[in-house]
Amino acid sequence: NAGVTQTPKFQVLKTGQSMTLQCAQDMNHEYMSWYRQDPGMGLRLIHYSVGAGITDQGEVPNGYNVSRSTTEDFPLRLLSAAPSQTSVYFCASRTVASANTEAFFGQGTRLTVV
Amino acid sequence: AQSVTQLGSHVSVSEGALVLLRCNYSSSVPPYLFWYVQYPNQGLQLLLKYTSAATLVKGINGFEAEFKKSETSFHLTKPSAHMSDAAEYFCAVSVGSNTGKLIFGQGTTLQVKP
Repeated sequence: NAGVTQTPKFQVLKTGQSMTLQCAQDMNHEYMSWYRQDPGMGLRLIHYSVGAGITDQGEVPNGYNVSRSTTEDFPLRLLSAAPSQTSVYFCASRTVASANTEAFFGQGTRLTVV
Repeated sequence: AQSVTQLGSHVSVSEGALVLLRCNYSSSVPPYLFWYVQYPNQGLQLLLKYTSAATLVKGINGFEAEFKKSETSFHLTKPSAHMSDAAEYFCAVSVGSNTGKLIFGQGTTLQVKP
């Protein structure tokens, strides 16, 4: 059981470049989300989805796009990378059957924008 | 709106000493609360969760947390710290009954000194 898989683990981008962070889960979870982790800021929600075709913005959505065409995949796109997007990104999935279910996290993508 | 606040971004204890990590919540409805742990260069994993069945919740690795409604708190404790407990700890609250959203606190880094 793979759980939540994120790729790549590390990435260096130049300012203005675009890229897609991949996230896949094999638990048939309805809910998927992207967080960024910065020192002293905890995890901040970027975008989330409650099912295929349904996405919504979190706390810090600017500069990021998402789509959800399947239950399994939830890619995060950076259209024009900026140094402020240097961070560690985590994808998480969760069933929405109850508010007390566990969220499962990927191993993270460490992104540096130069 | 539901939120959590972790008091103290950095806590240092000696091996064998009591660990106390503080989390206060803000919620107009009974909250669903979680503690997650992040070991260096890894994703987050669930330590324990509050589900209203009991106010004292036991988790993995000897950790427990007590829900106190009167103090709007859900502090994490462990009677005796091990070196392996050194990690970052996050308190989180579930938003809504079936949205899947989790909002995290700022995180507390636990240092364990020999």
